[in-house]
Amino acid sequence: QSVLTQPPSASGTPGQRVTISCSGSSSNIGSNYVYWYQHLPGTAPKVLIYKNTQRPSGVPDRFSGSKSGTSASLAISGLRSEDEADYYCAAWDDSLSGPVFGGGTKLTVL
Amino acid sequence: EVQLVESGGGLVQPGRSLRLSCAASGFTFDDYAMHWVRQAPGKGLEWVSGISWNSGRIGYADSVKGRFTISRDNAKNSLYLQMNSLRAEDTALYYCAKDSRAIAAAVSWFDPWGQGTLVTVSS
Repeated sequence: QSVLTQPPSASGTPGQRVTISCSGSSSNIGSNYVYWYQHLPGTAPKVLIYKNTQRPSGVPDRFSGSKSGTSASLAISGLRSEDEADYYCAAWDDSLSGPVFGGGTKLTVL
Repeated sequence: EVQLVESGGGLVQPGRSLRLSCAASGFTFDDYAMHWVRQAPGKGLEWVSGISWNSGRIGYADSVKGRFTISRDNAKNSLYLQMNSLRAEDTALYYCAKDSRAIAAAVSWFDPWGQGTLVTVSS
């Protein structure tokens, strides 16, 4: 199983706000930045959020990240059908001396 | 435009070897660390290995340590992954990813990623 824990699935209707959680420990999320990646089927994963809350240029402000203690969250507001994808959290792990990922959350737009 | 194109995947028997390549273009290759990340069928992403800009710092996931070797040729803008003693559990889509910094660290992230190359380990 993955070092970081995410719910396997999430869903919402168009226009809704959904959040995806990511839980870790003191050696990863508790002491390092969190990153979020979006993985659309058949495409390369793409960074959505870096350093807990920062959005790369081109990522809509409907996407936002937050972190508290050893947990983090990705929020998507104004849900759209094109947001249907797998979402992964990631963080550096000091004990493993490398990055670790969550197991991924499959977002369905109903 | 930054491009990463993986190659070298295929069907291989357990215990055999395979070498993956990643051709990079659109950026100054030797300014950045590079990584391999894999996704097994129906599973999530797993970091496999990373290498700093000058190959001075290298890291591996415990699951591949001692069997896989990452390397890069900055003159050829290429990243490699030599995979030995392959196991069924190494079956996955292998992605090449560019780091945001010269040396991978807690403040760096993967951007962009390639489309991946599929490795199937089966007899």
